[in-house]
Amino acid sequence: GAGVSQTPSNKVTEKGKYVELRCDPISGHTALYWYRQSLGQGPEFLIYFQGTGAADDSGLPNDRFFAVRPEGSVSTLKIQRTERGDSAVYLCASSLTRQSYNEQFFGPGTRLTVL
Amino acid sequence: KQEVTQIPAALSVPEGENLVLNCSFTDSAIYNLQWFRQDPGKGLTSLLLIQSSQREQTSGRLNASLDKSSGRSTLYIAASQPGDSATYLCAVRQGGSEKLVFGKGTKLTVNP
Repeated sequence: GAGVSQTPSNKVTEKGKYVELRCDPISGHTALYWYRQSLGQGPEFLIYFQGTGAADDSGLPNDRFFAVRPEGSVSTLKIQRTERGDSAVYLCASSLTRQSYNEQFFGPGTRLTVL
Repeated sequence: KQEVTQIPAALSVPEGENLVLNCSFTDSAIYNLQWFRQDPGKGLTSLLLIQSSQREQTSGRLNASLDKSSGRSTLYIAASQPGDSATYLCAVRQGGSEKLVFGKGTKLTVNP
């Protein structure tokens, strides 16, 4: 595709449930990032992949959050035992490589609502 | 810890006006700075990327400057149009890190 795609666009779930959010980066981009944006705030970094490996997961808030990128392309962010405080827009971005000059291109986001 | 501040938080201007959005950051050891646009309920659109060695970048009616030593960047929008109404976010990529650190954004409204 032409840009980063994310599915679903909206997800409503109940407290305590498990959710998966999917990101499909721009074809050929080796670097992939997840961010979380709460209302009225800028996005906050969660995790970064270079290829298949998570090179930096320092932004994951706790062990309920986990992300994978098994084939170095599509990534899935997994949230266990969801809490109301997890409600936010989850943004995915990709860049061509990890070089400093590469822009990060963002997808439209998944709006997660935990009831 | 890097902190990014954007002033003002909101700005309303009449169509045709030239305007400046401000971004400041506390740690000058950055790789680059990126300006984004975000429309309501949408993702982020990259507008301009300035490398740490550069002073400015231009794209159409947009011009972004970077003064790394003072920890400041400005986004200049010429001849504003109602279609420019959106939230503008500034983000820095810290040296030694891949992540972007964002400000909270400036919500711009351009009135016809």
